[in-house]
Amino acid sequence: EAGVVQSPRYKIIEKKQPVAFWCNPISGHNTLYWYLQNLGQGPELLIRYENEEAVDDSQLPKDRFSAERLKGVDSTLKIQPAELGDSAVYLCASSYGTPSDEQFFGPGTRLTVL
Amino acid sequence: DQQVKQNSPSLSVQEGRISILNCDYTNSMFDYFLWYKKYPAEGPTFLISISSIKDKNEDGRFTVFLNKSAKHLSLHIVPSQPGDSAVYFCAASVIQGAQKLVFGQGTRLTINP
Repeated sequence: EAGVVQSPRYKIIEKKQPVAFWCNPISGHNTLYWYLQNLGQGPELLIRYENEEAVDDSQLPKDRFSAERLKGVDSTLKIQPAELGDSAVYLCASSYGTPSDEQFFGPGTRLTVL
Repeated sequence: DQQVKQNSPSLSVQEGRISILNCDYTNSMFDYFLWYKKYPAEGPTFLISISSIKDKNEDGRFTVFLNKSAKHLSLHIVPSQPGDSAVYFCAASVIQGAQKLVFGQGTRLTINP
């Protein structure tokens, strides 16, 4: 079974530039998560989708971050414009969606903003 | 406000001995707890979980203990193996509904031969 796929794996941009990350969840997983992981910290939830609906985006900085999950499968997370403090690893995870289901994580995208 | 805390950033243990990783939480609403393991350049992978109705859960070499009154959980690895060297994250959630995991900062475990 293929795992959660994320691309790109690494991205270096200058501040004020836009950037986008892509995630393809495990087939059949209805729930998709985007997490932010700063250096030396644990992952923090940015947004959770149930199929194509964003059911928890309370931690997403909506002034510069946006996300979509068209057709309820793969998802894109965008930052526009990027700031120096956005340098971090962006993790995508998916699960079947019941409360105790295991979340499977992708390898993440490491973003460096110069 | 750090609701889940792992106060030891790193831990070094000799191969074959017991590794004990600790985690504290402040939110009494948490009723489901998990440990994730992370290797460099990979995403976290689920290791073991425990619900608040239990005080112990065991899976092979891994055992998680939960002390609800102290709001404390620990992961025991016996015996420790070199492949156990990784960063371990404790996470907690309220099982009803949200599936929102709150992670600790992680503990880097190094197993020495």
